[in-house]
Amino acid sequence: DGGITQSPKYLFRKEGQNVTLSCEQNLNHDAMYWYRQDPGQGLRLIYYSQIVNDFQKGDIAEGYSVSREKKESFPLTVTSAQKNPTAFYLCASRGPGELFFGEGSRLTVL
Amino acid sequence: AQSVTQLDSQVPVFEEAPVELRCNYSSSVSVYLFWYVQYPNQGLQLLLKYLSGSTLVKGINGFEAEFNKSQTSFHLRKPSVHISDTAEYFCAVSGGSNYKLTFGKGTLLTVNP
Repeated sequence: DGGITQSPKYLFRKEGQNVTLSCEQNLNHDAMYWYRQDPGQGLRLIYYSQIVNDFQKGDIAEGYSVSREKKESFPLTVTSAQKNPTAFYLCASRGPGELFFGEGSRLTVL
Repeated sequence: AQSVTQLDSQVPVFEEAPVELRCNYSSSVSVYLFWYVQYPNQGLQLLLKYLSGSTLVKGINGFEAEFNKSQTSFHLRKPSVHISDTAEYFCAVSGGSNYKLTFGKGTLLTVNP
C-alpha cells in the first residue's frame, strides 16, 4: 500500500545526544514536510522540501537539521542544540490538494 | 502571513447530538482550508478541504464545513455524532502553492454516551 512510514514510533534519548527520525514515502510526491506537535499547541512547521537536494526552514527550525538526498526519504535530526526536544513529530508529503501524514514519532528526552 | 484560531479547545457533547467546531482564519492571499482529525497517538487524516467552488464542502464520516469569506470562517459541523467521533480536530490554512499549512491549536471533541 502507498503511504508514509515513520520510524521509530517511540524513541528515548539522553540529554546531549543527537537523534535521527526516519520518514519514507512511496507516493512519488515531490514535497515533504516535518511538523512538531505539543499538547495544546497544534502543529508547527520545522522544515520542508519541495524537491530533492533542496529544503527550507519552517517556523521552528532551530536545533533541527534535515537532508533530502532521495525523493522517497526526508530524515529529521534533532540535535543537542534543541532546548526542548520532547514532542510528537509528524512527517507529511504533498499530494493533489492535500498533505498526507505518517503515524508520527514520539521522542522523549530523559 | 496567515493564522488560524480554533475558538474552542474542548467540546463535550452527547451521542447523537449535533456539533459545530469553530475555526477562523486570517490570510493576505486567497486561501485553501482544511479540517484534519487525529486519533490518540496517530497521524492526521483529512476530513475535508476547500480549494475553490462551492462554499459548502462535504467530507468523510458525515462531516461538512462552510467557507464564509466575509466572516473569514470555516466551521465544521456534523448533525449527529457517534462515540467513535471522539478525537482531536485541527483546522488548517494554506495561502500559497508551497502548501505550507498553518494549523490551529486543535479542538478536542469528546462524545459521551
